[in-house]
Amino acid sequence: GAVVSQHPSRVICKSGTSVKIECRSLDFQATTMFWYRQFPKQSLMLMATSNEGSKATYEQGVEKDKFLINHASLTLSTLTVTSAHPEDSSFYICSARDQGTGLAPLHFGNGTRLTVT
Amino acid sequence: AQTVTQSQPEMSVQEAETVTLSCTYDTSESDYYLFWYKQPPSRQMILVIRQEAYKQQNATENRFSVNFQKAAKSFSLKISDSQLGDAAMYFCAYKVGNNDMRFGAGTRLTVKP
Repeated sequence: GAVVSQHPSRVICKSGTSVKIECRSLDFQATTMFWYRQFPKQSLMLMATSNEGSKATYEQGVEKDKFLINHASLTLSTLTVTSAHPEDSSFYICSARDQGTGLAPLHFGNGTRLTVT
Repeated sequence: AQTVTQSQPEMSVQEAETVTLSCTYDTSESDYYLFWYKQPPSRQMILVIRQEAYKQQNATENRFSVNFQKAAKSFSLKISDSQLGDAAMYFCAYKVGNNDMRFGAGTRLTVKP
């Protein structure tokens, strides 16, 4: 089945630094990828929709200058948390839809646990 | 706006017994998709079952089945013959077309041996 690879799985960074998270679709093309954030014991909240070759669409309340998204190819989207602060510590999950199947559910990466110290 | 409501924060079931997790949703769309995802402690999102709204027949996947009531906007998940490995967070999700998924708050399922 379709596989989405997310890297790194865990990252610890110091406050003020930037962290890049990669999301790759391994065996299918994805014109659209989605980035979710999940706080402990809470649900997944959509942060932004990443569109290949165009600007990402951010959900209300998500700072686009802080969470930079780049979707440079049909198989790769990146999320960069800039000038990270401890409140950015969370679990970030990417997902992608196999455009070839249209109606398919989203395929999820295994997530990235970000800890900002 | 579409919303997904899971009214049971926690549920518990005895091993080998049956449990039903509830989910309701709100939408003005007529064609959409509903899903149940399982999230074990590893945090990986695992698709359990899906249902297309235009299909009247309830989806079934081995021990997992749904009760889809379109008019009532209800989409419950039944787990039969519960196993210890079924213990996890379960999220109900809604999707329209090529859009993103919207998730409920989740239900934590505990399976007692």
